[in-house]
Amino acid sequence: GQSLEQPSEVTAVEGAIVQINCTYQTSGFYGLSWYQQHDGGAPTFLSYNALDGLEETGRFSSFLSRSDSYGYLLLQELQMKDSASYFCAVRSYSGGYQKVTFGTGTKLQVIP
Amino acid sequence: DVKVTQSSRYLVKRTGEKVFLECVQDMDHENMFWYRQDPGLGLRLIYFSYDVKMKEKGDIPEGYSVSREKKERFSLILESASTNQTSMYLCASRSPEAASTDTQYFGPGTRLTVL
Repeated sequence: GQSLEQPSEVTAVEGAIVQINCTYQTSGFYGLSWYQQHDGGAPTFLSYNALDGLEETGRFSSFLSRSDSYGYLLLQELQMKDSASYFCAVRSYSGGYQKVTFGTGTKLQVIP
Repeated sequence: DVKVTQSSRYLVKRTGEKVFLECVQDMDHENMFWYRQDPGLGLRLIYFSYDVKMKEKGDIPEGYSVSREKKERFSLILESASTNQTSMYLCASRSPEAASTDTQYFGPGTRLTVL
């Protein structure tokens, strides 16, 4: 089966940098996505990595190491509005169909 | 902008009732998904549909069924609601072109309480 592990909570200071890690175990791995969800809101897509390396989108970057089954989301210049839950999700092929499995989420609290 | 809407934000039903959760997307997306979200468990896939009349079981399909008669609408059905189906239900859609990056667009969710 598939499993993903990410920390349940992270606290960081406004203006700082925070890294949210995600390790996974899966067969037929295809890529790793990250989603952001504010309390009471819908998840929104942030980034996707299919190849090893770093993808940068503004203040957010995402990294993937396929050999280590590991990825992370890096948030720079933290703002109070970045307080939210962040989910990693593994895309894989299983039984002829593409499958997406979400992690349990990391609740990020940004403090002044 | 992609818009995914769900029929209700909050719903309270009684054990044994048949419950319909509706999801509509306005971007002509072929792929649609139903998840439930519970504290500490993240999002778990119930069912998905790659196109009209097509459906596939996700990780936790037991106690649920779905209907996709039109491309824009994907319905989740609880045949006989039980208290362990109390949860937040999220619908998502995705175009096949976005499948390579798995960009899913989520609705606002329906918080279902089964008494």
